[in-house]
Amino acid sequence: NAGVTQTPKFQVLKTGQSMTLQCAQDMNHNSMYWYRQDPGMGLRLIYYSASEGTTDKGEVPNGYNVSRLNKREFSLRLESAAPSQTSVYFCASSPVGRRNTGELFFGEGSRLTVL
Amino acid sequence: GDSVTQMEGPVTLSEEAFLTINCTYTATGYPSLFWYVQYPGEGLQLLLKATKADDKGSNKGFEATYRKETTSFHLEKGSVQVSDSAVYFCALIGSGYSTLTFGKGTMLLVSP
Repeated sequence: NAGVTQTPKFQVLKTGQSMTLQCAQDMNHNSMYWYRQDPGMGLRLIYYSASEGTTDKGEVPNGYNVSRLNKREFSLRLESAAPSQTSVYFCASSPVGRRNTGELFFGEGSRLTVL
Repeated sequence: GDSVTQMEGPVTLSEEAFLTINCTYTATGYPSLFWYVQYPGEGLQLLLKATKADDKGSNKGFEATYRKETTSFHLEKGSVQVSDSAVYFCALIGSGYSTLTFGKGTMLLVSP
């Protein structure tokens, strides 16, 4: 079972370059999320999509944009990368019904380095 | 707003030792509480959860009890194994539709 698949797994960018992180889930989940993980900071929510067609800002949205392409796919775009965006990025999905149960399924992560 | 505080790590134990990782929270209403685990090089996965006061979540020998009076959800295991070495995250979600709030994580290192 694929679950949540993220690409690429590793990426090195120069300051000012742009890139898109792709995420797809095959579990027919309604909600999808993008987190970043930094040492000593835990996981911080960047953006989320509660359902197809909607997106909302999380705790640290500045410098990022997202697209919920369809129910399966949720991409994260860095328009002009900065060294402060060096991090490990995780995509997650959740089978939300009326209420978010908090049970998330995570991808394996994408390690991004901005020089 | 909601917040989760975990003990700082790393926690270093010998195999078969008893484990406690402390977690306290601040939230309005009646949140649900979770422990997630991240093994090296992997994404997070749900370890256990509790949805109301005095509930005990358990999985793979790990347990945690939802204590509303002390706003705590400490993770325990009676006898750890080397394979339990990972980062453990405490998390909560509030009422209605909201998103998970994570603690900063606690690294556990178990030596043979």
